[in-house]
Amino acid sequence: EAGVTQSPTHLIKTRGQQATLRCSPISGHTSVYWYQQALGLGLQFLLWYDEGEERNRGNFPPRFSGRQFPNYSSELNVNALELEDSALYLCASSLGAGARETQYFGPGTRLLVL
Amino acid sequence: GNSVTQMEGPVTLSEEAFLTINCTYTATGYPSLFWYVQYPGEGLQLLLKATKADDKGSNKGFEATYRKETTSFHLEKGSVQVSDSAVYFCAQLNTGTASKLTFGTGTRLQVTL
Repeated sequence: EAGVTQSPTHLIKTRGQQATLRCSPISGHTSVYWYQQALGLGLQFLLWYDEGEERNRGNFPPRFSGRQFPNYSSELNVNALELEDSALYLCASSLGAGARETQYFGPGTRLLVL
Repeated sequence: GNSVTQMEGPVTLSEEAFLTINCTYTATGYPSLFWYVQYPGEGLQLLLKATKADDKGSNKGFEATYRKETTSFHLEKGSVQVSDSAVYFCAQLNTGTASKLTFGTGTRLQVTL
């Protein structure tokens, strides 16, 4: 069974540009989560999508947005990139939502903003 | 609020040594607890989990027991290998946090020959 996949693996952008990151969940999983792992800041929750709807959002500005498609894959968009957006962006998926559902992570997209 | 506290790293051990990485949590309600591992240059892999008090999660020789009385979920392994060198993250998932995983800061483990 294929795990969570993310693309691209690496992305280099300049300040002010937009970045689009993609995630495909494990087959049968309907919930997708995005986390940011920035140097020195640990793992921070960004967004949660379930059944095509945004269900929860972390403490990030509105220029971080995303969506979930009918096939449950997801995109994370970061507008007006800033240097501090450089980080590893991890996508995770789970079978459903709730405290008993395990989140499985993809390999991440490493974003570098110059 | 909900939080997870891990012991500071890095932890440096010789191969075949015993490993303990401490993890404690604060939470409202009864969270599920997880250990994830991150190898260099990779994403997170689920190592083990426990969903209720006194549950023991185990995988690849690693174990952790959900202790409600001490709000702890310490990770242990009896004999570490060089290939266990990685960063280990303790995390909780609480019913009150709308499916948001709360992570500890991570503990880097370095195992030497």
